[in-house]
Amino acid sequence: ETGVTQSPTHLIKTRGQQVTLRCSSQSGHNTVSWYQQALGQGPQFIFQYYREEENGRGNFPPRFSGLQFPNYSSELNVNALELDDSALYLCASSPETSGIYNEQFFGPGTRLTVL
Amino acid sequence: QKEVEQNSGPLSVPEGAIASLNCTYSDRGSQSFFWYRQYSGKSPELIMFIYSNGDKEDGRFTAQLNKASQYVSLLIRDSQPSDSATYLCAVWHYQLIWGAGTKLIIKP
Repeated sequence: ETGVTQSPTHLIKTRGQQVTLRCSSQSGHNTVSWYQQALGQGPQFIFQYYREEENGRGNFPPRFSGLQFPNYSSELNVNALELDDSALYLCASSPETSGIYNEQFFGPGTRLTVL
Repeated sequence: QKEVEQNSGPLSVPEGAIASLNCTYSDRGSQSFFWYRQYSGKSPELIMFIYSNGDKEDGRFTAQLNKASQYVSLLIRDSQPSDSATYLCAVWHYQLIWGAGTKLIIKP
C-alpha cells in the first residue's frame, strides 16, 4: 500500500509569486485535506476535497485554492505569496468524508519559505 | 471560535515513568478526538483516537475522554527516549481543530 506523498519537499519563493504544491493520496482514499503549520503551532485547516469537489474550508483567503483530480491526487495553489505564508504545508488523505471516525494519514509535508 | 488548548511544555519525564499529556476543547459538539505525535521537521503521525467517554488503551498508550469536562488526555507508560516529540491534540467537528502541541522530553 502506497502512503501519502508530497512534492516538492522544500521550496523558496519571493513575495508576490505564485506556488503550486502537489499531493498524491494513499491508495483507496477519496478525501484529501490540506493544512498549514507555522513554526511552533499546530496545523491549521485550509480546505478539504472529496471526489474533486471542495468539501469544507478553513479561515484562509481566496488566494489559497485547490484541485483534486480523478485519480485523487491534488494540488494546493497559493497566489500573491506573503511572508506569513512561510510554513510547512501538509496534505492528509482519508477514506471517508464525514462521520466521527476520520483518521487522516499525512504526507511528509512541503516546507515553503517566502522571502 | 473553536479552540483546543494544550500546555506547550516542555514536559520532562524520566525514562520508564508515566507521561501525562492534557488537552481541553471549547466546542461541545466535537465528536472525535485524536492524538498525534510529531518529531521535529516531520509530519504528524496518528497515535490513537477516541470518541466515547472513558479510557481507550493501545499498548503503552491510553487515551482518556471526559466530554462533560471537555477534556482529553494521553498517558504514555514506560516512557522511552524515542517518545520524545511534540504531541498534538486534534478535535473533529466537521473539520480538525488542532492544539499547538506539548513538547515531551524523556530523560534517560
